[in-house]
Amino acid sequence: NAGVTQTPKFRILKIGQSMTLQCAQDMNHNYMYWYRQDPGMGLKLIYYSVGAGITDKGEVPNGYNVSRSTTEDFPLRLELAAPSQTSVYFCASSYFDRGDDEQYFGPGTRLTVT
Amino acid sequence: AQKVTQAQTEISVVEKEDVTLDCVYETRDTTYYLFWYKQPPSGELVFLIRRNSFDEQNEISGRYSWNFQKSTSSFNFTITASQVVDSAVYFCALSEADHSNDYKLSFGAGTTVTVRA
Repeated sequence: NAGVTQTPKFRILKIGQSMTLQCAQDMNHNYMYWYRQDPGMGLKLIYYSVGAGITDKGEVPNGYNVSRSTTEDFPLRLELAAPSQTSVYFCASSYFDRGDDEQYFGPGTRLTVT
Repeated sequence: AQKVTQAQTEISVVEKEDVTLDCVYETRDTTYYLFWYKQPPSGELVFLIRRNSFDEQNEISGRYSWNFQKSTSSFNFTITASQVVDSAVYFCALSEADHSNDYKLSFGAGTTVTVRA
């Protein structure tokens, strides 16, 4: 199993540009998450999905959109990129949502907006 | 308000020393879960340990041990006989249900551990 994969690994965007961060998992997990990690901070939840076709906002959803058309894929869309979206983005997944299920993380995408 | 506080920003030790990482959490729920994750220089977060709110028994797993005390809302983590490979950022996280009864993780800011040879 590849686990959770993310592309690209690095990206530089100009202010106002848009892009999609890709995330895929091959573990047949129902739950998927997008986090952002700012320097010296913990991870903050952007969006999450409890299954194909179902998504919901996390703590910091403004400026982002998601979709979940399949169990495997959970892309994150940035519209009109702003410098405040410079961060490292992590995708994660888990099989259940019982609270004690560990989340499996991807390697991250480092995004810089200038 | 910060739900998970890791007061130690950085810790530096010499190999074979023990390292204890502090974590204080805040929740009104009676059912919740606590985690420690490790983020090595490669960047990917790796699950280490978990504890549920009903089990305060402290445990040891290899070189890892943890001390969970509900009375002080603390979930401290110890690495015994540290090794250079333990150098990483360590995150404490709290899992609690939201209004939709979906569990969410709240992370602390992390503690950077540097183990010198």
